[in-house]
Amino acid sequence: DSGVTQTPKHLITATGQRVTLRCSPRSGDLSVYWYQQSLDQGLQFLIQYYNGEERAKGNILERFSAQQFPDLHSELNLSSLELGDSALYFCASSPRLAGKHTDTQYFGPGTRLTVL
Amino acid sequence: DAKTTQPPSMDCAEGRAANLPCNHSTISGNEYVYWYRQIHSQGPQYIIHGLKNNETNEMASLIITEDRKSSTLILPHATLRDTAVYYCIVIKGNDYKLSFGAGTTVTVRA
Repeated sequence: DSGVTQTPKHLITATGQRVTLRCSPRSGDLSVYWYQQSLDQGLQFLIQYYNGEERAKGNILERFSAQQFPDLHSELNLSSLELGDSALYFCASSPRLAGKHTDTQYFGPGTRLTVL
Repeated sequence: DAKTTQPPSMDCAEGRAANLPCNHSTISGNEYVYWYRQIHSQGPQYIIHGLKNNETNEMASLIITEDRKSSTLILPHATLRDTAVYYCIVIKGNDYKLSFGAGTTVTVRA
């Protein structure tokens, strides 16, 4: 158990819908990262927050957005869902500021999103 | 970031050492070698990382060649719970955005 929690574990929805994935980082961790993992593209970095502020963006679609709240939990919002958005979505957390590569990222169990 | 090449799969007998190779021939001086693993559909788990010296922790050892163009992850006494996909990646010293390719599927057999 990494200490990172994600809800829900599974999510099935239809094309065009909007969903919200939730992540609670490890106690004391200030950085939260979101990743998407699909069979054809592997694990891809989406976005990172540090202490409530966006710090880095990766291959995140404009239909996707995220935020980190004062209590440090984070939400990833996916809208206008397409079949290709079906994937595992992972949240990870680490203690410190972005750029400290030696900070281990602790991953949550993931949310499996299925878009029908 | 430098690209890595790993064998797609390998088997290992329980209790024996598992040696997982990784090629990263285009690695640059400020890039670190990281290993993560992912047990079926669970979140990735950090194993170990290094720059140029060999490293050891409670999970594994990492041997990096002198020219840094390849490395080997060693699981000293593989157990059935070590069955997973193992990812070797290189990350610049000021980067933290992880990206995994196909990795090596390791199957530990009783």
